[in-house]
Amino acid sequence: SQTIHQWPATLVQPVGSPLSLECTVEGTSNPNLYWYRQAAGRGLQLLFYSVGIGQISSEVPQNLSASRPQDRQFILSSKKLLLSDSGFYLCARNIGSRYNEQFFGPGTRLTVL
Amino acid sequence: GQQLNQSPQSMFIQEGEDVSMNCTSSSIFNTWLWYKQDPGEGPVLLIALYKAGELTSNGRLTAQFGITRKDSFLNISASIPSDVGIYFCAGQSNSGGSNYKLTFGKGTLLTVNP
Repeated sequence: SQTIHQWPATLVQPVGSPLSLECTVEGTSNPNLYWYRQAAGRGLQLLFYSVGIGQISSEVPQNLSASRPQDRQFILSSKKLLLSDSGFYLCARNIGSRYNEQFFGPGTRLTVL
Repeated sequence: GQQLNQSPQSMFIQEGEDVSMNCTSSSIFNTWLWYKQDPGEGPVLLIALYKAGELTSNGRLTAQFGITRKDSFLNISASIPSDVGIYFCAGQSNSGGSNYKLTFGKGTLLTVNP
């Protein structure tokens, strides 16, 4: 199984509050892991990716950070949420040697009020 | 950065009709992928293409990797209501340290009228 779990499924947070979204994956070890944000149901924006434990590459300067404390765990965080952080957050992984194919989790819907 | 131009942005069709959408790029890609996203869910991989000129089918879906490696199309034949959703193309190239990343199109929103 190459299942991807994301928690929570939905979240409503006030502006200025902290954030922690979790992604855990099953299956092949040492996967590449990715965080995307999707606004208004269209367009996937790559936020972060990781090729191994403790290795994080940031794609877009922003109010968010990512960490990979374990091989199969990827966390998206913020110290203070902004209204513009609202969106649908998707975690993805590649499968073994098929680096080019990414598979997505079910997503987390974040609303910042 | 690399960009993919996906068209059309949206389509409204009658059940039973065939559908065609495409993506073009100014850059060469080594891989083309097509995804479908249902409302409130993560995208699901439909077809992966790895060779220029490759034509691959998955049920009623057919996709092709353009010979120039700068484009790809997806066809859906005999559409049904459950084909409704957003379809994304994605490409991968080995240039500029982008081995691990995909570039996504902005999606085609498909609506099928029963």
